[in-house]
Amino acid sequence: RKEVEQDPGPFNVPEGATVAFNCTYSNSASQSFFWYRQDCRKEPKLLMSVYSSGNEDGRFTAQLNRASQYISLLIRDSKLSDSATYLCVVNKYVGDKLVFGAGTILRVKS
Amino acid sequence: GAVVSQHPSWVICKSGTSVKIECRSLDFQATTMFWYRQFPKQSLMLMATSNEGSKATYEQGVEKDKFLINHASLTLSTLTVTSAHPEDSSFYICSAREARDYGYTFGSGTRLTVV
Repeated sequence: RKEVEQDPGPFNVPEGATVAFNCTYSNSASQSFFWYRQDCRKEPKLLMSVYSSGNEDGRFTAQLNRASQYISLLIRDSKLSDSATYLCVVNKYVGDKLVFGAGTILRVKS
Repeated sequence: GAVVSQHPSWVICKSGTSVKIECRSLDFQATTMFWYRQFPKQSLMLMATSNEGSKATYEQGVEKDKFLINHASLTLSTLTVTSAHPEDSSFYICSAREARDYGYTFGSGTRLTVV
């Protein structure tokens, strides 16, 4: 079983749509959680950290359910520029190696 | 913000040759460097972790004699793919961490093609 599992997609949505991605992780000792964005043939870039209480950054909302070992990302009012691969990432403690999911592809179309 | 310069961005080499990839932290001291590999449509897989001045710790299944990592200074880490073969063709990317800051700064990646 992979440490971090994501639906690969692709999710094809129209501009303005709301889309949600899910992720599950297998290591219950994981302490830190992130969503990264990766554009084609580029390095991943941090989108947001995920906190137990849930957190929001503009159109993006992340949720964490430790009991179910489940992380989600909600994108509201999708833009064309949101098209990318979204990577769910965990690590066991601050400063430890990051463990990446394979990513979920989002394509926003006009 | 923190920047990691990774070179080369892409390289094509013949089978059997060696390729060196460099990652330099430009405005901070990278006490730890993580090296990842990403095959098409797959996740980034950690190859090894190196701390400045120490030998790298390799993940299970990664050949340390084939993927030589040097982290001799706080601003430079290198990955050398020795005797490269077509199956080594991949996207290699480094990620640096400073001791005082728990953020991770990624290099821009190196696309290696072995022909």
